Amino acid sequence: GDSVTQMEGPVTLSEEACLTINCTYTATGYPSLFWYVQYPGEGLQLLLKATKADDKGSNKGFEATYRKETTSFHLEKGSVQVSDSAVYFCALFGFGNEKLTFGTGTRLTIIP
Amino acid sequence: GAVVSQHPSWVICKSGTSVKIECRSLDFQATTMFWYRQFPKQSLMLMATSNEGSKATYEQGVEKDKFLINHASLTLSTLTVTSAHPEDSSFYICSARVQLSSYNEQFFGPGTRLTVL
Repeated sequence: GDSVTQMEGPVTLSEEACLTINCTYTATGYPSLFWYVQYPGEGLQLLLKATKADDKGSNKGFEATYRKETTSFHLEKGSVQVSDSAVYFCALFGFGNEKLTFGTGTRLTIIP
Repeated sequence: GAVVSQHPSWVICKSGTSVKIECRSLDFQATTMFWYRQFPKQSLMLMATSNEGSKATYEQGVEKDKFLINHASLTLSTLTVTSAHPEDSSFYICSARVQLSSYNEQFFGPGTRLTVL
């Protein structure tokens, strides 16, 4: 079945550092890929998405590129801020089963 | 953006009692809602898919008599944990799907933390 493996946290970085959170997936066919973010006390919010190979999703300075050859969708940001502290979930939408499958989540803490 | 609320945000109950969790889409109608369960440091695990006016579809291994789901309207779905036991303690998250132009998007509630003593 579909699965998502993402970098285990927690991850602690200083403000303005570069961020990469790794995500790889296993799926039948060509899934859509997502990054969700969960701020403290809030629900999951869609951060960015990519629906086909080589697509790059971007939002709020975050980027991720759909790499079919490596089955990856790594999340990157060039300069993180304290306000980026949250839990980040990689997910895929499998068109075979029409469901979202999530990774375990990565807690990111940015210190001033 | 679309908002999904859950109530209560946390609940503590005694073993053997039943607990109802509500999920509402506040500014849109959702034909499909989802219930997830999240254990500490683990993924969100889909429990069931709920369509308005019809019976929920449960994932393999989820007891339908234990976790009763009702989707009575386009803005409300409820999850009732019947005869709760300590192993049911978890974080329950609902999600509502809406069709936007060319794709479907899911909006998530803030979650309900259930603790069964």
